[in-house]
Amino acid sequence: ETGVTQTPRHLVMGMTNKKSLKCEQHLGHNAMYWYKQSAKKPLELMFVYNFKEQTENNSVPSRFSPECPNSSHLFLHLHTLQPEDSALYLCASSQEITGELFFGEGSRLTVL
Amino acid sequence: GQNIDQPTEMTATEGAIVQINCTYQTSGFNGLFWYQQHAGEAPTFLSYNVLDGLEEKGRFSSFLSRSKGYSYLLLKELQMKDSASYLCAVLDSNYQLIWGAGTKLIIKP
Repeated sequence: ETGVTQTPRHLVMGMTNKKSLKCEQHLGHNAMYWYKQSAKKPLELMFVYNFKEQTENNSVPSRFSPECPNSSHLFLHLHTLQPEDSALYLCASSQEITGELFFGEGSRLTVL
Repeated sequence: GQNIDQPTEMTATEGAIVQINCTYQTSGFNGLFWYQQHAGEAPTFLSYNVLDGLEEKGRFSSFLSRSKGYSYLLLKELQMKDSASYLCAVLDSNYQLIWGAGTKLIIKP
C-alpha cells in the first residue's frame, strides 16, 4: 500500500455535476489536508483536519465541501464548480500539524 | 503580506552542480522545507532547516540564513532524474505553511 492514495486520478465534470474526491492514508497520521495546485502558482491550502476535526478553512467557496469520517480518510465533495476550479487537487497527511507532509499523487480535475 | 520567491525555471547540465534559491518574507519563522515534485507525481520531502547553516544529505544540500530570509537547495552530480520542480515552503509563526510557486529544473545531457 502506498502512503497516501487518491482517487480518481483524473476527473472531468460539467458545471452542474456533483462528484467526490477520495483520499486515504496508511501512515497512521493524525492530520490530513486538501491543497489546490494550479500551474505556476504556489500550493493553496484549502482544508486541514487534525484528529478528524476541521482546524482550517482558507476561505474556500462552499461549492467545495470536505468530509473526514476518520483519521485515515478524507473526501472533497464537489458541486456546481466553475471552469477556474480546474486544477490538481492534492491530499496530504502528517503526523503533527507542523510536520513533514506526505502527499498523494493528486486528482486532476477539469471543469467544462 | 507573506511571500516566497524562487526562480520559475532553471536549466543545468548532467553531472554539473545547480543552486536553487528561495527568499522569504513571512510573519515569523518556524522552519523551511524543500520538496521535489516530478511531473504528474506527488511532491516528496527533501529537507527541513530551522537553524542557520548547511544540511547535507547525499547529493542534495540545503542552506538557511534566517537573518537574510534566504535558503538554497544545492544539487550535485546532476542526473537526468533530477529534472523536476522544487518547492520551497516556510512555516510561519502561526505554523502555517507558506509555499513558493516552485522552480522547474531542466537537466540537459
